[in-house]
Amino acid sequence: NFMLTQPHSVSESPGKTVTISCTRSSGSIASNYVQWYQQRPGSSPTTVIYEDNQRPSGVPDRFSGSIDSSSNSASLTISGLKTEDEADYYCQSYDSSNHWVFGGGTKLTVL
Amino acid sequence: QVQLQESGPGLVKPSETLSLTCAVSGYSISSGYYWGWIRQPPGKGLEWIGSIYHSGSTYYNPSLKSRVTISVDTSKNQFSLKLSSVTAADTAVYYCARGTFGGVIHRTWGQGTLVTVSS
Repeated sequence: NFMLTQPHSVSESPGKTVTISCTRSSGSIASNYVQWYQQRPGSSPTTVIYEDNQRPSGVPDRFSGSIDSSSNSASLTISGLKTEDEADYYCQSYDSSNHWVFGGGTKLTVL
Repeated sequence: QVQLQESGPGLVKPSETLSLTCAVSGYSISSGYYWGWIRQPPGKGLEWIGSIYHSGSTYYNPSLKSRVTISVDTSKNQFSLKLSSVTAADTAVYYCARGTFGGVIHRTWGQGTLVTVSS
């Protein structure tokens, strides 16, 4: 099976743009869709990106997702950062046996 | 809208079996989708435990497969998790969720329930 590796933490100032990476250890990142979940302290996760780059209804267009085959990674970009974006973010994909795989999570600090 | 609610003992003794149920409202489990369990140890990340398709096919995390059973009770519109031979490492918040083959569908996570393994 493969692993998804994320930076442990990132920080940026309000109004700026931050990108969180998610690198797949084996197999092509483009083979299976990537989802991104936001989890605020004490709350259940919620989807901010699904199928690589799709935003669910209600998620601001400040959130965008992409994949890069050259680095075999997916990225979540948040522009116009707000303090309310401070949370843990998890990428997730799946394998050919429908096994879900989560990244280790990235703590975003907006300072 | 679909809602999911986990229930079960909050404390389980080491070596015993952890049993949780996820009650689903607003959607009939037998109509479709995957129904999954995900856990999160205190202060740590998310770990997928396993999923069951509405038809009954099951998919388990290879690292937990020997200890996990997920089943569906369509008459009660709920699905269940059993994790045997638990240790302190199984202490976590356990979430149930609705998903596709690819992951959890937006806004279909349960609120989570903390299960502590301790004597």
